[in-house]
Amino acid sequence: DAKTTQPTSMDCAEGRAANLPCNHSTISGNEYVYWYRQIHSQGPQYIIHGLKNNETNEMASLIITEDRKSSTLILPHATLRDTAVYYCIVRAYNAGNMLTFGGGTRLMVKP
Amino acid sequence: NAGVTQTPKFQVLKTGQSMTLQCAQDMNHNSMYWYRQDPGMGLRLIYYSASEGTTDKGEVPNGYNVSRLNKREFSLRLESAAPSQTSVYFCASSERTGLNEQFFGPGTRLTVL
Repeated sequence: DAKTTQPTSMDCAEGRAANLPCNHSTISGNEYVYWYRQIHSQGPQYIIHGLKNNETNEMASLIITEDRKSSTLILPHATLRDTAVYYCIVRAYNAGNMLTFGGGTRLMVKP
Repeated sequence: NAGVTQTPKFQVLKTGQSMTLQCAQDMNHNSMYWYRQDPGMGLRLIYYSASEGTTDKGEVPNGYNVSRLNKREFSLRLESAAPSQTSVYFCASSERTGLNEQFFGPGTRLTVL
């Protein structure tokens, strides 16, 4: 899995967009960018993934730079329930069975 | 759909006691996983089941056994609990083995005294 770098923590005002960055400068051509989050005392939750095109689902949008060395997860209208640790994971499709979470970004959504 | 469910939510054991953690999924997924998460640390894979009838060791299998009862259910057994097994245990599932989109249950918080 490629190494990822995320800020340790971020704040966001409720109702505003939360933009969470991730650097993955050593990403390989066959590696995808995945985002998970873990709300306190709950199981990790899959959010979204992408290879090179921007992706959007009901939870979030994923913007991947053209050189694929960084990406941004966007929560368009953050709510207090989005307060969680967000993990960026870079790995190949079918890379194996164990997901490995790094330090992640602790997002605090404030009223 | 309930997704992935786990029972119990909390459990306290004494050293040497045994117990089974239950996990079920209703997404018709082929693969299921057991992870543990220690305070302030990441997930570590204990065992996984690629499909009904198969199980394989993960990163930290010692002290645990598993049973893939059917396609829906995957249980984790501690035969003789030790304080080092105090942790939060998460069950997860995916459509098939190796996929990175895994869906997790709410966890079982286990304390071994």
